[in-house]
Amino acid sequence: ETGVTQSPTHLIKTRGQQVTLRCSSQSGHNTVSWYQQALGQGPQFIFQYYREEENGRGNFPPRFSGLQFPNYSSELNVNALELDDSALYLCASSRGPQETQYFGPGTRLLVL
Amino acid sequence: RKEVEQDPGPFNVPEGATVAFNCTYSNSASQSFFWYRQDCRKEPKLLMSVYSSGNEDGRFTAQLNRASQYISLLIRDSKLSDSATYLCVVNLFSGGYNKLIFGAGTRLAVHP
Repeated sequence: ETGVTQSPTHLIKTRGQQVTLRCSSQSGHNTVSWYQQALGQGPQFIFQYYREEENGRGNFPPRFSGLQFPNYSSELNVNALELDDSALYLCASSRGPQETQYFGPGTRLLVL
Repeated sequence: RKEVEQDPGPFNVPEGATVAFNCTYSNSASQSFFWYRQDCRKEPKLLMSVYSSGNEDGRFTAQLNRASQYISLLIRDSKLSDSATYLCVVNLFSGGYNKLIFGAGTRLAVHP
């Protein structure tokens, strides 16, 4: 196991709602990256947090936002949920922005 | 054009077969390369890094051709436990952070 944990494991929401997903990084890691994996696709980079600041962002709209806390755990928030937001959300932690990323087990989100 | 393209699957092979996966990437600035394995409804796990000189790990051999922007994975003597989706991944370092770019994956099913 990588030591990266995510909660919850599964979640069901309806369109228009908001959701918060959580990630605890591996001990000694100060960087968290978030990915969205739709069914049948590879994971897509959402953004990366390093030392509590957003350090890079993929092609996702502003309703996808995040936070990183002083203990380097992180949250992904998605507002105004759409059906296409249904996916597996993965976080990965690393020792730094340029280091190997280790994935958590993911949160499976279903939007109805 | 997708940034990372892989062979469409699925590959259905008998135990003991040799199977090869191919992958191309579009960004010549990509700096490091990997194969990840993803079991059904699980997170991706690093299988191996890929180097221009080629590298081998037991039954698995990976090769990178930077000039052609081509990556391959060869699995010899396939086992039932090799059944999974194999994701080709490139690492692009830009703007101070690492972004992993995943292909859509190729599914392998090994049967008795």
